[in-house]
Amino acid sequence: GNSVTQMEGPVTLSEEAFLTINCTYTATGYPSLFWYVQYPGEGLQLLLKATKADDKGSNKGFEATYRKETTSFHLEKGSVQVSDSAVYFCALRSGGSYIPTFGRGTSLIVHP
Amino acid sequence: DVKVTQSSRYLVKRTGEKVFLECVQDMDHENMFWYRQDPGLGLRLIYFSYDVKMKEKGDIPEGYSVSREKKERFSLILESASTNQTSMYLCASSSTQGGSNQPQHFGDGTRLSIL
Repeated sequence: GNSVTQMEGPVTLSEEAFLTINCTYTATGYPSLFWYVQYPGEGLQLLLKATKADDKGSNKGFEATYRKETTSFHLEKGSVQVSDSAVYFCALRSGGSYIPTFGRGTSLIVHP
Repeated sequence: DVKVTQSSRYLVKRTGEKVFLECVQDMDHENMFWYRQDPGLGLRLIYFSYDVKMKEKGDIPEGYSVSREKKERFSLILESASTNQTSMYLCASSSTQGGSNQPQHFGDGTRLSIL
């Protein structure tokens, strides 16, 4: 079956630090990969996605590259802000299935 | 923009009550989902529906039922609420158009407390 593994949090950083949140996956077939973000008190929202190998998704300064050879989709940002404090979820969806597989989420706390 | 609206942000009910959580989406999506979110456990799928009147059990359906009488509306029902159903409930929808690269769209969640 499919699975997504994310690094456990919380990840605590100072403002303007570099961020990496690791995500690796196992999947049948050729999945699409997603990062979602959940701000305090809100639902999840799509941050970025990639649908094929070597694709790079990007949004709001965040980036992630679909690495088929290492089955990874790590989230990066060069300079985090306090407003980036949130929970980040890595997810995949394989062709033929309506149901995505989510990682457990990684909490990011950014201090001024 | 897709909007998924959950009827309540906060809800307090008593043990044994029948509880209804409502969700409406405005993008004509075929798929709708109910999750619960608990600290340390991530998102767990309760039920999903891929069409009107169609439903399938997710990972934790016990104690819950669902109803989808119209395409835009998906209701979660706690038949007899218990304290272990205190949680954050998230509704989501997604399209079947375009295959597996379609993301889910989430509501803001309902924080349900069972006393």
